[in-house]
Amino acid sequence: QSVLTQPPSVSAAPGQKVTISCSGSSSNIGNNYVSWYQQLPGTAPKLLIYENNKRPSGIPDRFSGSKSGTSATLGITGLQTGDEADYYCGTWDSSLSAYWVFGGGTKLTVL
Amino acid sequence: QITLKESGPTLVKPTQTLTLTCTFSGFSLSTSGVGVGWIRQPPGKALEWLALIYWNDDKRYSPSLKSRLTITKDTSKNQVVLTMTNMDPVDTATYYCAHRHGGSSTFDYWGQGTLVTVSS
Repeated sequence: QSVLTQPPSVSAAPGQKVTISCSGSSSNIGNNYVSWYQQLPGTAPKLLIYENNKRPSGIPDRFSGSKSGTSATLGITGLQTGDEADYYCGTWDSSLSAYWVFGGGTKLTVL
Repeated sequence: QITLKESGPTLVKPTQTLTLTCTFSGFSLSTSGVGVGWIRQPPGKALEWLALIYWNDDKRYSPSLKSRLTITKDTSKNQVVLTMTNMDPVDTATYYCAHRHGGSSTFDYWGQGTLVTVSS
């Protein structure tokens, strides 16, 4: 069971918008930056969002991130079939010695 | 350009010790704030963070696996080594190493991963 809670799956039609939630606690999301990763089938994870809402160079502005309290959200607009992937949130947890935690992952299906 | 690549055995027997090496280029592990971490992913399952070593040799481990893990670095060789003792079939997974960005505290570059199967 993951420390961060994500919905197992979400789906939407091409061109639509989808959001993926990530719920944690004060020891992780509540007091640390959140990152989001995209994992296309058979590939390594790729950083999409860091420090809650920043995009690395090369990541289109269709991808956005936000955080409120102990939850974070990834938003994807203008869905494309190529966005079908697993999405993971991650952050530091300070409950013991600091360590990184991931969410359980969300499978995005573009119908 | 930052690149990382994992290497090690593809098959280990139960109770054996796994040793994985991450060989990287495009950055130095002596640069302040930089780190290299290990993450694994069992087939069809979620990512699980294992360990991280910083430029200053500070080390962090997953609380649930801490007793089995050791992470070390060889700055001159641009390598980070992870050892995991007492391997079990449930440890079968793809193991990734990743660069920890010093400023943003995230894992921004990942290796391609290496699949390790634990079976007798």
